[in-house]
Amino acid sequence: NAGVTQTPKFRVLKTGQSMTLLCAQDMNHEYMYWYRQDPGMGLRLIHYSVGEGTTAKGEVPDGYNVSRLKKQNFLLGLESAAPSQTSVYFCASSYEAGSYTDTQYFGPGTRLTVL
Amino acid sequence: DQQVKQNSPSLSVQEGRISILNCDYTNSMFDYFLWYKKYPAEGPTFLISISSIKDKNEDGRFTVFLNKSAKHLSLHIVPSQPGDSAVYFCAASESNNFNKFYFGSGTKLNVKP
Repeated sequence: NAGVTQTPKFRVLKTGQSMTLLCAQDMNHEYMYWYRQDPGMGLRLIHYSVGEGTTAKGEVPDGYNVSRLKKQNFLLGLESAAPSQTSVYFCASSYEAGSYTDTQYFGPGTRLTVL
Repeated sequence: DQQVKQNSPSLSVQEGRISILNCDYTNSMFDYFLWYKKYPAEGPTFLISISSIKDKNEDGRFTVFLNKSAKHLSLHIVPSQPGDSAVYFCAASESNNFNKFYFGSGTKLNVKP
């Protein structure tokens, strides 16, 4: 099993450009998440999905859109990139989110720089 | 305002000694807590968790302690090994909203041989 994979690993964008980050998991997990990590701060939840065809806003959703057309994939889109979106983006998945024994499995991250 | 705080950005410990990483939270509704470990260029990996019905949970060299009245948890690593050198994040959630985890900013642990 590859676990959670993210594409691309690195990207540099100019202000105003758009891009899509792809997250894929092969663990048949229902729940998927997108986080961003900035220096001196913890991971902050951008959007999440509780199943195929569903999405919901997290803590910092502005400037991002997501889609979950297939259970194994969760896409994060930036329509018009801004320098404030320079960050490391992590995708995660979990089997369920209603159990004290559940945990999230993370991808390796995408480092995005917006100039 | 961060609801989960790790006030020590870094910690250096000698191999074989105890490492103690601390985490404070402000939301009294949090009742599930986790620690993650992160190596450079990798995603965080789950280490250990604790629910609020317990005040201690052990897994090998790793023990998490929870003090609900102080809104404080700590991770003890005994004995510390050089391979434990990593960034450690604590995270917290409410049991009625497991979808949302709130993470601390991390503590970078360096275990010296």
